[in-house]
Amino acid sequence: TQLLEQSPQFLSIQEGENLTVYCNSSSVFSSLQWYRQEPGEGPVLLVTVVTGGEVKKLKRLTFQFGDARKDSSLHITAAQPGDTGLYLCAGPKAAGNKLTFGGGTRVLVKP
Amino acid sequence: KAGVTQTPRYLIKTRGQQVTLSCSPISGHRSVSWYQQTPGQGLQFLFEYFSETQRNKGNFPGRFSGRQFSNSRSEMNVSTLELGDSALYLCASSPQAGAYEQYFGPGTRLTVT
Repeated sequence: TQLLEQSPQFLSIQEGENLTVYCNSSSVFSSLQWYRQEPGEGPVLLVTVVTGGEVKKLKRLTFQFGDARKDSSLHITAAQPGDTGLYLCAGPKAAGNKLTFGGGTRVLVKP
Repeated sequence: KAGVTQTPRYLIKTRGQQVTLSCSPISGHRSVSWYQQTPGQGLQFLFEYFSETQRNKGNFPGRFSGRQFSNSRSEMNVSTLELGDSALYLCASSPQAGAYEQYFGPGTRLTVT
């Protein structure tokens, strides 16, 4: 069982639609990071959320950290084919310790 | 700044052989972490080096080892390769040690036949 559970595992939508990806845990995290990975490349950091209830926006992407700091979500508005990729959430397993990753959500945005 | 570079990008090895992968971090970054990514297990932490010292280690057998040089460049070695070692090996650097934001390289795709 992964410490961070992501859902859904796979999402296929049409260009212009909205989507939400979830990252859940039974443990409290001091922070959570979101990455996007495109085929043949390494993950690229999108955002870090630190405060419970925090909402961060990155153009059409909105990230939210749960009030209890056990979950996070990523919402994409009006998805574009360029949003296609593997979205990963990650958090420190313990204070200052190694990073643990969720299983990822593979997003396909069809033109 | 130049990003994290990894060499080689692709590698094919035979069972029982050993392999060494190389990583050059972003200039000024002293922490280098290695991850293994497979379709079944996802992204799993291998180890982290900071100032030439292994700071953390994941749950992998002793066949997996690494080191970091004084210029922060890092290498990882896998001995006695098994078919299950086929994976994308990712290196990430960070200015600080610990679970801070990681800057990943493109990875080395290792295929063991």
